[in-house]
Amino acid sequence: AQSVTQLDSHVSVSEGTPVLLRCNYSSSYSPSLFWYVQHPNKGLQLLLKYTSAATLVKGINGFEAEFKKSETSFHLTKPSAHMSDAAEYFCVVSDRGSSASKIIFGSGTRLSIRP
Amino acid sequence: DVKVTQSSRYLVKRTGEKVFLECVQDMDHENMFWYRQDPGLGLRLIYFSYDVKMKEKGDIPEGYSVSREKKERFSLILESASTNQTSMYLCASSLNSGPRRGYTFGSGTRLTVV
Repeated sequence: AQSVTQLDSHVSVSEGTPVLLRCNYSSSYSPSLFWYVQHPNKGLQLLLKYTSAATLVKGINGFEAEFKKSETSFHLTKPSAHMSDAAEYFCVVSDRGSSASKIIFGSGTRLSIRP
Repeated sequence: DVKVTQSSRYLVKRTGEKVFLECVQDMDHENMFWYRQDPGLGLRLIYFSYDVKMKEKGDIPEGYSVSREKKERFSLILESASTNQTSMYLCASSLNSGPRRGYTFGSGTRLTVV
């Protein structure tokens, strides 16, 4: 069975400092993993995805994530936070080859940026 | 630019009303989904459809129905709206390989039932 846990419901960092949003997953098979971002009153936008190629995945807006199978983690990072990064972030897991319904969303991490 | 369009950003309806939420995608995607999003609960799948006239229940289908008469349009229906259906509703679509490629989401409809 799949599951995904976002370890922090809220993260606050200062502008210009690094961002780390943590995600752990469990999956019976080889997973596909995603990070989505949701700005206030907007839909979800795909930031990046891991689908079995390189374990370090680069996404939009300077974000990247590293797939670590031994730690069952897929943490999202950015070297230097910008005010426009303030949003809610969702980690998502899907077992490869599973049906469309078997995509699991984490509960979300709200990222706040202090000036 | 590919899009998933939800017809309303904000809706206010009365208890007992029949409510229609419309979603249209222009990407020729096979799969379409309706989620509701509530604080602290993340996204929960209500219904999805993998083909025209086909539908499958998600995790929380009670009180909802759906219609997919055309490939590009997926409608969510609240047969008799109740206050506990006040929520943000998100529509998404994907190719059949969606679990590997990710979903495209609409901007959401914030529904308030009074």
